[in-house]
Amino acid sequence: RKEVEQDPGPFNVPEGATVAFNCTYSNSASQSFFWYRQDCRKEPKLLMSVYSSGNEDGRFTAQLNRASQYISLLIRDSKLSDSATYLCVVKMVGGANNLFFGTGTRLTVIP
Amino acid sequence: EPEVTQTPSHQVTQMGQEVILRCVPISNHLYFYWYRQILGQKVEFLVSFYNNEISEKSEIFDDQFSVERPDGSNFTLKIRSTKLEDSAMYFCASTVDPNSPLHFGNGTRLTVT
Repeated sequence: RKEVEQDPGPFNVPEGATVAFNCTYSNSASQSFFWYRQDCRKEPKLLMSVYSSGNEDGRFTAQLNRASQYISLLIRDSKLSDSATYLCVVKMVGGANNLFFGTGTRLTVIP
Repeated sequence: EPEVTQTPSHQVTQMGQEVILRCVPISNHLYFYWYRQILGQKVEFLVSFYNNEISEKSEIFDDQFSVERPDGSNFTLKIRSTKLEDSAMYFCASTVDPNSPLHFGNGTRLTVT
């Protein structure tokens, strides 16, 4: 069973649309959660951390459901520049390597 | 904003050759990592490094791999005898503490022919 699972997409949405990505993780001992964004052949860049109470950063909203071991990312009013792959990243308790990456969800925002 | 920098951006090498990938982490960071990403696949952990020694390594990081922090700024990944399957993007990352998000470098694309 994969540690972190994401719908690979692709999601093709028009500008201005709202789109949501989901992610599930297998290890209930997971401690911290992040969404990273990765452009084609570039490095992953932190988009936002995900807090237990849910958090918002401008057009982006992240939510965590520990009981269901589920994380989501909502993007409102999509821009062309939002086109990228969105990586769900989970950090486990303890150990130096406690970062697990999902395979990513590809988003294309269409004019 | 300070950045993690990696060189070269693209390295082409023949199978069996040694390569050294270089990274300059953010200056006040203490924890350093190497990850790799085979084209079309997920980012995978290779090794973490703290206090001048390896903290943890994955199954991928076998005897062909080694890491070094030769001075106060550089952090290198060496592959002694490259294989075709080593072709991937290699990302260096650093963080000030292990509970903070990682900052990734721009990556080195390694192509083994």
